[in-house]
Amino acid sequence: QVQLVQSGAEVKKPGASVKVSCAVSGYRFTSHGISWVRQAPGQGLEWMGWISPYNGNTNYGQKLQGRVTMTTDTSTTTAHMELRSLRSDDTAVYYCARHVGNWDAFDIWGQGTMVTVSS
Amino acid sequence: QSALTQPASVSGSPGQSITISCTGTSSDVGGYNFVSWYQQHPGKAPKLMIYEVNNRPSGVSNRFSGSKSGNTASLTISGLQAEDEADYYCSSYTGDTTRVFGGGTKLTVL
Repeated sequence: QVQLVQSGAEVKKPGASVKVSCAVSGYRFTSHGISWVRQAPGQGLEWMGWISPYNGNTNYGQKLQGRVTMTTDTSTTTAHMELRSLRSDDTAVYYCARHVGNWDAFDIWGQGTMVTVSS
Repeated sequence: QSALTQPASVSGSPGQSITISCTGTSSDVGGYNFVSWYQQHPGKAPKLMIYEVNNRPSGVSNRFSGSKSGNTASLTISGLQAEDEADYYCSSYTGDTTRVFGGGTKLTVL
């Protein structure tokens, strides 16, 4: 079945970087984009950006422009999200989600990765 | 891009119907029929309930329906059940290849 399985929880110090992975299985990896969404503790969902595994094209949310990089590895059918210059307000659960282009919706989600930024 | 506006909370008794609104602008909700709704139970990943304003993915109960008028989209849940108690988020395409979520609505089944 279609699955997105994310890497484990991370604890980072302010100013460091974190890279979260999202391993995809059960469908053709290049057929759908991958979006990243984060959720701070007790808060709502925030769309971070999108990447096409087909051609590597990306779109990032304005808030994170310059600090986030999304990549894909078609050989391992894995998507990655790297966030740099971490701050305490980057503490959140980070989700990857399959983006269905025709619907412009996220139909399958990873289990989430908790990233804690603390000195 | 500002978050779409949702009520913080709604409630209803089992068997009743409730509606959750999602208000944006002509640059997002009002400009495109790419509004989707997600259900999130505590500690779980979101689940897609409605896409393209009023379409249900396979496996989602027909008690869930969506609509849109102008800059406001709505999610209606009929025949409320205890398992419907969750947070609900709307999302919209914004026309500049980005997406935006609503602030979320906590549904309480009394």
